[in-house]
Amino acid sequence: GENVEQHPSTLSVQEGDSAVIKCTYSDSASNYFPWYKQELGKGPQLIIDIRSNVGEKKDQRIAVTLNKTAKHFSLHITETQPEDSAVYFCAASMGNTNAGKSTFGDGTTLTVKP
Amino acid sequence: DAGVIQSPRHEVTEMGQEVTLRCKPISGHNSLFWYRQTMMRGLELLIYFNNNVPIDDSGMPEDRFSAKMPNASFSTLKIQPSEPRDSAVYFCASSFTVAGKTQYFGPGTRLLVL
Repeated sequence: GENVEQHPSTLSVQEGDSAVIKCTYSDSASNYFPWYKQELGKGPQLIIDIRSNVGEKKDQRIAVTLNKTAKHFSLHITETQPEDSAVYFCAASMGNTNAGKSTFGDGTTLTVKP
Repeated sequence: DAGVIQSPRHEVTEMGQEVTLRCKPISGHNSLFWYRQTMMRGLELLIYFNNNVPIDDSGMPEDRFSAKMPNASFSTLKIQPSEPRDSAVYFCASSFTVAGKTQYFGPGTRLLVL
């Protein structure tokens, strides 16, 4: 089955700096790559996603890049703010036949220091 | 929309007792997922349903765990008998697989088994 590896497990940055989280996946059939943000005491919430026919997607301070050949994708957060502090999960979804199942990375705890 | 609804939000029980967690997915969604989250094991997929049918229950840890989805708007996860190592946050998520694979998570049920 699909295997998703996420790095780093923890990341600490100064407010205003950029943060980058990287994920690799194993199954070339995966075609949907969402990123979720989990704040303390809440469930993960989608912040951005990318599909396999797109190399990059941006939404304000957040961007995601995808390299299908290398099977890796990354989350970029620019001008970080304290409210960006949370756990971030990447995920990969395999094709159209598995009822939407996603394989999640182990998460990255991002701390933005004021 | 109210989002995914889970109940109870918190549950404290004694070892050996039966625990039932409940989930109401977003109306119109056709896939439902149950996850368990702990510090040690991260986010684990326990079981998921598509159109009310269980698709993959390979993540269910033991026979003490069972899940049902009697209709499109309700699912339960039952633990009988409960053990201290079952203490975790249990999340329910739903998605509409025709439109995409984004999963919408509920707020979770925090379970403590004494």
